[in-house]
Amino acid sequence: KQEVTQIPAALSVPEGENLVLNCSFTDSAIYNLQWFRQDPGKGLTSLLLIQSSQREQTSGRLNASLDKSSGRSTLYIAASQPGDSATYLCAVRTGGTSYGKLTFGQGTILTVHP
Amino acid sequence: GAGVSQTPSNKVTEKGKYVELRCDPISGHTALYWYRQSLGQGPEFLIYFQGTGAADDSGLPNDRFFAVRPEGSVSTLKIQRTERGDSAVYLCASSPRGGGPNTGELFFGEGSRLTVL
Repeated sequence: KQEVTQIPAALSVPEGENLVLNCSFTDSAIYNLQWFRQDPGKGLTSLLLIQSSQREQTSGRLNASLDKSSGRSTLYIAASQPGDSATYLCAVRTGGTSYGKLTFGQGTILTVHP
Repeated sequence: GAGVSQTPSNKVTEKGKYVELRCDPISGHTALYWYRQSLGQGPEFLIYFQGTGAADDSGLPNDRFFAVRPEGSVSTLKIQRTERGDSAVYLCASSPRGGGPNTGELFFGEGSRLTVL
């Protein structure tokens, strides 16, 4: 059974700091890994999707890496801003197909203070 | 619409009542998913559809939960004899078919918050 763990559970940083969020998964036979952002009381917004054959993806100030063999992914946020405050969730799709369920971690609650 | 639409956004019901939650996916998306999220937790998989059929319903917690997608578009999650433990946010997501670098990307709705008193 796939299990996804995110560390830290919560993180508070001053504005402008670069930071790293960690995600680990127990079954390395994944199809892809997706990072999401969730604002309080809202749904999930997709940030980055990394296919199993890729090592990293970048979008603006965000960079996500994937090391499938070790079961790890990191989300790097550069020059953090108060607007980045949210819960960040990683999810993996297991089973070698583009469909099927995602298994989520519990999330990292990020607070960026001015 | 442009995104995944879920109704109602909030539902308060009494224990033992029947509830229906609706999801309207992004037009043209063939895969549709239901997840449940409790406070402080990540979403947990319930069921997913490919077209009209339930391809994987292994996450449904018991036989009080049922979902349909009769025409391959809108889906309804049905909960019978609701219990207080069913209180959660029910999230729906859809995903397009096809290849390309974003194959398998999920797009989520805002969720339906269910409170069972």
